[in-house]
Amino acid sequence: DGGITQSPKYLFRKEGQNVTLSCEQNLNHDAMYWYRQDPGQGLRLIYYSQIVNDFQKGDIAEGYSVSREKKESFPLTVTSAQKNPTAFYLCASSISSPGPKGLEQYFGPGTRLTVT
Amino acid sequence: DQQVKQNSPSLSVQEGRISILNCDYTNSMFDYFLWYKKYPAEGPTFLISISSIKDKNEDGRFTVFLNKSAKHLSLHIVPSQPGDSAVYFCAASAAMTTDSWGKLQFGAGTQVVVTP
Repeated sequence: DGGITQSPKYLFRKEGQNVTLSCEQNLNHDAMYWYRQDPGQGLRLIYYSQIVNDFQKGDIAEGYSVSREKKESFPLTVTSAQKNPTAFYLCASSISSPGPKGLEQYFGPGTRLTVT
Repeated sequence: DQQVKQNSPSLSVQEGRISILNCDYTNSMFDYFLWYKKYPAEGPTFLISISSIKDKNEDGRFTVFLNKSAKHLSLHIVPSQPGDSAVYFCAASAAMTTDSWGKLQFGAGTQVVVTP
């Protein structure tokens, strides 16, 4: 049963701590993405990766870091430098294509991070 | 600066009637548009898309209309069913621009409630 797994569903951290959010996919997709959703706002792209060992900054990359060592995995680290880390984080994947099919992204269920 | 706007945060419609969701965009480079549907505690799922070379795309009860001159698109759901109650996100991409492929800009979403 193919899909995207994000864990945990809820995560609580103290201010000043780094935290890593997990994202795993078994869809054999080359491209993976991290989004952040805040109340009243659309999804905003943090980082994306079109192939293993390569990734690019999205629109709001400051305070975040990623790695793409395996095709199936794209973990996101929220560092202490991120000023407003409390948010809902969504991971997605797609085939890596410049055409329309590359835009049909498959999303995980998300991780709600609360930093106090 | 939000390039994709969904100005109606919520919409209530009776079962069997038409739901019309609106989306406006500002970037004239956008050439591919998608609608995603999101249930609570789940990630968004792809619903329907349209290329800028078309002005209408239909898939069952869902039809998307694109008015490029007005930079406006709409999603029609006919007839609306209780299972359509969800948040609907409009997304856009400058898919044919190498730097932008795979990158989606999302609206803030419209919560649809279908009442019996």
